[in-house]
Amino acid sequence: ETGVTQSPTHLIKTRGQQVTLRCSSQSGHNTVSWYQQALGQGPQFIFQYYREEENGRGNFPPRFSGLQFPNYSSELNVNALELDDSALYLCASSVKGVQETQYFGPGTRLLVL
Amino acid sequence: RKEVEQDPGPFNVPEGATVAFNCTYSNSASQSFFWYRQDCRKEPKLLMSVYSSGNEDGRFTAQLNRASQYISLLIRDSKLSDSATYLCVVNGGGYQKVTFGIGTKLQVIP
Repeated sequence: ETGVTQSPTHLIKTRGQQVTLRCSSQSGHNTVSWYQQALGQGPQFIFQYYREEENGRGNFPPRFSGLQFPNYSSELNVNALELDDSALYLCASSVKGVQETQYFGPGTRLLVL
Repeated sequence: RKEVEQDPGPFNVPEGATVAFNCTYSNSASQSFFWYRQDCRKEPKLLMSVYSSGNEDGRFTAQLNRASQYISLLIRDSKLSDSATYLCVVNGGGYQKVTFGIGTKLQVIP
């Protein structure tokens, strides 16, 4: 196991609602990245947090936002949920560096009805 | 052109066969490369990093060709347990944008 944990494991929401997903990074890791994986697709990079600051962002609208806490854990918030937000949300932790290797948590499966 | 391209497969191979996957990337400034394995409805797990000199881990060999901008994964003596989706990952550096390919599905048949 990677030591990266995510909660909740599954979630059902309705369109327009807001959701917060949580991730605890592996001990010693200072960077957290979030990904969205739709069925049959590879994970899509949402954003990365390093030292509590956003350190990179993919092509996701501002209603996707995040936080990193002093203990390096992180939250992903999604406002005004849309049906297309239904996906597996993956969190990965790493140590910032050139050959940065990411280790994934088990993911949160979100269904928007 | 997609930033990272993979053949989604599926590749159906008999046990004991050798199979190879390629992955092309568009950003010539990309800094690091990885292969991940993903089982159905599970998270991706790191299989191996890919180094310029090529690297091997047991039955798995990864190669990087910067001139042609592709990485490859070779699996020798395929096992049933190798059945999974293999994801190519490219780290562009800079603003740390990490891009995954769509994944190549491998099914090893008895």
